[in-house]
Amino acid sequence: DTGVSQDPRHKITKRGQNVTFRCDPISEHNRLYWYRQTLGQGPEFLTYFQNEAQLEKSRLLSDRFSAERPKGSFSTLEIQRTEQGDSAMYLCASSSAGLFKDTQYFGPGTRLTVL
Amino acid sequence: EDQVTQSPEALRLQEGESSSLNCSYTVSGLRGLFWYRQDPGKGPEFLFTLYSAGEEKEKERLKATLTKKESFLHITAPKPEDSATYLCAVQAVGGSNYKLTFGKGTLLTVNP
Repeated sequence: DTGVSQDPRHKITKRGQNVTFRCDPISEHNRLYWYRQTLGQGPEFLTYFQNEAQLEKSRLLSDRFSAERPKGSFSTLEIQRTEQGDSAMYLCASSSAGLFKDTQYFGPGTRLTVL
Repeated sequence: EDQVTQSPEALRLQEGESSSLNCSYTVSGLRGLFWYRQDPGKGPEFLFTLYSAGEEKEKERLKATLTKKESFLHITAPKPEDSATYLCAVQAVGGSNYKLTFGKGTLLTVNP
């Protein structure tokens, strides 16, 4: 078990471009979360999947953001028409209900810089 | 709305100087309280989960405790490698979302 992985680790883009990030959760984890973290702040919840179903989206997630988790495995987060305010660390976490009551394990994050 | 407040924002200790970090929370019903460690440029690393008041967990030089309103992370005889940001988060009962609500963290620096 290699933990949660995210790709790319860093992304620099120009304002107005589209970007897509990928998250591979711990195998057999059925819950997957996306969070966003800016400097000096704790992570903020963006969206949540149970298996392939997207069950909740934060008010922070504007129409420019979309997330998918086909077949309940990896997930992608796409940001369309990026803005400078989108610059942040995007974190993915996964968990499995049961014995450990949904402890979330985080990936290394994708650092997005919008110029 | 769930809220988490961590104090102090930053703490500087000498190696071996024990101290505590505080996490105050407001939540409709607590499913769990989580402590994470985060190094610069990396994702949060899980430390502890606490579920009910009075519960305590220990790992090496760290000990986490929980009351109905707050949690403490006690650091005994810290070493420079304990330097990091420590994040506290709560998970509320109810609904189908198991999201975490985080505080801003405490930046701990341990000087040799």
